[in-house]
Amino acid sequence: GESVGLHLPTLSVQEGDNSIINCAYSNSASDYFIWYKQESGKGPQFIIDIRSNMDKRQGQRVTVLLNKTVKHLSLQIAATQPGDSAVYFCAEARYGGATNKLIFGTGTLLAVQP
Amino acid sequence: NAGVTQTPKFQVLKTGQSMTLQCAQDMNHEYMSWYRQDPGMGLRLIHYSVGAGITDQGEVPNGYNVSRSTTEDFPLRLLSAAPSQTSVYFCASSFVPGGKNGYTFGSGTRLTVV
Repeated sequence: GESVGLHLPTLSVQEGDNSIINCAYSNSASDYFIWYKQESGKGPQFIIDIRSNMDKRQGQRVTVLLNKTVKHLSLQIAATQPGDSAVYFCAEARYGGATNKLIFGTGTLLAVQP
Repeated sequence: NAGVTQTPKFQVLKTGQSMTLQCAQDMNHEYMSWYRQDPGMGLRLIHYSVGAGITDQGEVPNGYNVSRSTTEDFPLRLLSAAPSQTSVYFCASSFVPGGKNGYTFGSGTRLTVV
């Protein structure tokens, strides 16, 4: 069935290092892929998105890469900080007609060690 | 501008009781949705709405009803609570269907059914 999943449930990195969070998806018909950050006790917060016709998009300290050949999405965080500690979700956005919905993966916990 | 406001933040229900989770947004977003988040799982879509007067089912709609009489409000009703509905519930809104510009999430309602 349709699914968005993550390779690693927990990622531990040292402060200042770069972090890479990976995600696999199964449906090639998605229009957008989105990364969300969720801190404990809070709702998900939008980080960055990428259209399905793009390979790379950069934001502030974050880069999202999309490899449609292998249906793989990654989020790179440069110079990881303690404030980056959270659960990160990838999600597929499908819109139009009866398919206006966002499908989330199960999440990866990023733990930043001082 | 308060964003997405959910009430209550916490609720304990007995099996068979009914209740309504409130969600309101002041951003004039057309698209609103309800998700539930269970431990070890991503967010799953319950119901969504693309505008006032229009609602549709998501991935896990059974046991829940919604209505959208105004653009601002999108309440979620549990008709007869069951322990399987113990979860954290998030309401989200977006300018466009599918959230390609990012969803705004509320802070969540933690529901326990005993």
